[in-house]
Amino acid sequence: ELKVEQNPLFLSMQEGKNYTIYCNYSTTSDRLYWYRQDPGKSLESLFVLLSNGAVKQEGRLMASLDTKARLSTLHITAAVHDLSATYFCAVDTNTDKLIFGTGTRLQVFP
Amino acid sequence: NAGVMQNPRHLVRRRGQEARLRCSPMKGHSHVYWYRQLPEEGLKFMVYLQKENIIDESGMPKERFSAEFPKEGPSILRIQQVVRGDSAAYFCASSPDLQQVAKNIQYFGAGTRLSVL
Repeated sequence: ELKVEQNPLFLSMQEGKNYTIYCNYSTTSDRLYWYRQDPGKSLESLFVLLSNGAVKQEGRLMASLDTKARLSTLHITAAVHDLSATYFCAVDTNTDKLIFGTGTRLQVFP
Repeated sequence: NAGVMQNPRHLVRRRGQEARLRCSPMKGHSHVYWYRQLPEEGLKFMVYLQKENIIDESGMPKERFSAEFPKEGPSILRIQQVVRGDSAAYFCASSPDLQQVAKNIQYFGAGTRLSVL
């Protein structure tokens, strides 16, 4: 069974700092997605990574995918309070369903 | 183009009652997915449907849960004789044509938060 693990589960960071969230998965897949979820809200698609070595950036967030290592990273540069949310990675099983990680709850404080 | 619409947003039921959750996919989308999110957890796949067909229900509990996506109208997730453990947020997602399905880009609704008293 495919497992998707994120770490850390909780991240409290100061504004202006950098940090990386890691997403490991247990089986072959070359499609990985990052979502953001605000409390009580739905999931907002952030990045779609479709091949080994894919790197995408949007604002202060940058995501990458290493299919050989079965690892994706979400890097936060110079964090701001608006980035406070829960971030999920999800792996495509090449069937139909997405398998989600446990989520990383990010809190950015002044 | 309206997004994925789910209703109700919040649903309160007493133990033993039935819960019906509705999902209207984005216009032009014929693939619907249901996920369940327990508090402080990620989303867990439940079922994948195309019009009038259940494609994959490997994540559905064997009893009390059913889903449909009729030719006309929204997709329905039905939970019979609800129990407290059914309390969760239920999200629906949709995707369009086969090319998008191959990329599996799913667009999520706002969710229905079910509370069982």
